[in-house]
Amino acid sequence: KNEVEQSPQNLTAQEGEFITINCSYSVGISALHWLQQHPGGGIVSLFMLSSGKKKHGRLIATINIQEKHSSLHITASHPRDSAVYICAVRGAPGANSKLTFGKGITLSVRP
Amino acid sequence: EADIYQTPRYLVIGTGKKITLECSQTMGHDKMYWYQQDPGMELHLIHYSYGVNSTEKGDLSSESTVSRIRTEHFPLTLESARPSHTSQYLCASRAPGANNYGYTFGSGTRLTVV
Repeated sequence: KNEVEQSPQNLTAQEGEFITINCSYSVGISALHWLQQHPGGGIVSLFMLSSGKKKHGRLIATINIQEKHSSLHITASHPRDSAVYICAVRGAPGANSKLTFGKGITLSVRP
Repeated sequence: EADIYQTPRYLVIGTGKKITLECSQTMGHDKMYWYQQDPGMELHLIHYSYGVNSTEKGDLSSESTVSRIRTEHFPLTLESARPSHTSQYLCASRAPGANNYGYTFGSGTRLTVV
């Protein structure tokens, strides 16, 4: 079982819909990252969270440390949001800074 | 505009050839990483470096080697490419300190060994 689990595995939405992508992890962490990977492979870092909630434009990321769970929300979705969204966690303080990745969720937003 | 650069973007090469994948960053980051990603699968760490003359193997066994002679440059070399090396290779870097935003990734090198 992977230490980082993402759900759903694939997601199709209509333009304008509110989208939620989930991430659960099984280890103690110092930070959780949400990453976006477009076709062609390049990765963009969206958020780094250690507690609470962060917002950037139409994207909102939340984390619940006690429940070992994070969500990425996309409001007013657009076809350009179509990408793979990857959750990754960094080990607990005192551990090295290596990341453990989930497999990613493939999001398709239809016009 | 990317601050971390990987070349080539795509490479098709014959079995047994020696190849070097280039990664350079202009941000002065001390920590650099190489990840391998197969289609539909998670990224796996194959090498990392915490500074000049520091290199370590990652979690995934790899037949590749790396070097870190300069802060900005972290090349990955395969001495003898095999079809099992076909994959995407992603380079990343991170600034020191607890408050840095996160990781910066390159665009990746998609390697096919025939």
